[in-house]
Parts: sequence; structure tokens; C-alpha cells
Amino acid sequence: QQQVKQSPQSLIVQKGGISIINCAYENTAFDYFPWYQQFPGKGPALLIAIRPDVSEKKEGRFTISFNKSAKQFSLHIMDSQPGDSATYFCAASSRSSGGYQKVTFGTGTKLQVIP
Amino acid sequence: KAGVTQTPRYLIKTRGQQVTLSCSPISGHRSVSWYQQTPGQGLQFLFEYFSETQRNKGNFPGRFSGRQFSNSRSEMNVSTLELGDSALYLCASKLGGEWETQYFGPGTRLLVL
Repeated sequence: QQQVKQSPQSLIVQKGGISIINCAYENTAFDYFPWYQQFPGKGPALLIAIRPDVSEKKEGRFTISFNKSAKQFSLHIMDSQPGDSATYFCAASSRSSGGYQKVTFGTGTKLQVIP
Repeated sequence: KAGVTQTPRYLIKTRGQQVTLSCSPISGHRSVSWYQQTPGQGLQFLFEYFSETQRNKGNFPGRFSGRQFSNSRSEMNVSTLELGDSALYLCASKLGGEWETQYFGPGTRLLVL
């Protein structure tokens, strides 16, 4: 029930195209949904995050769409650039039994943007 | 501000040995979390420390343990290493409150032979 399922595992997009990564969850206790970007040799870095009371959040070329009833959320990267080539992780956060925030990550999507 | 630092960056051990990894959080951050990253399982939460106390724990065996010092630096220890422990171990720090961004270090890559 703590799983976050992410797809696709890998994605190749042409420069200027739209990259779409999808995630689904079962646990309705999740109440915070961040996306992380990870470049080789680096730790993940927060890209954008959304709360379930909002259906969409946009920051620059990055947009999260959230469908609470379907328990799905997705990341859209508009006008994808070669510099966006990285691994992207969706995540979901809930409170542990001790009442503290606990983050569960998806398995990651390796994005390659080709010129 | 300096970011999260982890030492060592790379480590090779043999089965049965133990290993200690170190993490220095961003100055002022009191929460440190540890994650294991593998190609098959992705990022899995190990535990979180706040003010020298473990306040969150993932589903890992007791061979994985940690501690946090009064300066918020944290160590993670894995005893009786198994081949399956080969992974990138990441630590992340944050101030400590809810819904804050956590900042990841570059990780320690552990190879168990």
C-alpha cells in the first residue's frame, strides 16, 4: 500500500517535444507529491511538488497534473531540452506511525532528450 | 551555504565485513535521512534522525543502523555485509519541520564483493 508506481522506465524525446512521466499510488494517506531530478553522480534534487488540494502546478517548463480520484499524478516537461536528460523520480509523502513525514519514491524514469 | 557532504564517495568491501558511512548536513539542518538507491528497487528510505533521535524508520533489517551527533552529523553502519547491500547510499538533510524540502548529498557508492 506504500508503493508508488512510475512509468515509463525510460523515455526518449526529441528536443522541443513534451516529456510525460506518470505515477500512480494506492495509499490515500499520501498528502504531498514531490518530483525529483537526478543527474549522474549527483543526489536527487527537488524539481516541483504538489498538494492533493490542487489539480495542477506549473513552474517554468515543468507542470504537475494531479488526479485525486484516480490516484494518479504526472510530470510534463514542455519544450524538452538536452539539458533535461536525467532520471526523474516521483514521490509521495505520508505520516509515519510516529507522526513524521515519510517519503516513498517511484522507481525512476530515465529521460533522454535528443537534439 | 555548503551542501550535504558524504564520505567516502566510493567504497569496496567484502561479504561479512561492516561499513560506516558519514553524512554532514547543511549548516542549521537538524534532520538527516538515509536512503538506499539500487537500479531494481529505486530509492528506499532507511531511517531519519532529528536532534540525535531516530524518529522514522524504513523496512530494513537490523544490520542497518545509524546515529546522529550533537552537531547533526550522522553516520550509517551496515554490519555483516551481503552482496545485495551494493548500492548508492544517499543522505538528505532538512531543517526539521514538516513539508520542507530535503536536500540530498551526492551519495556513497558501496560495492560488496
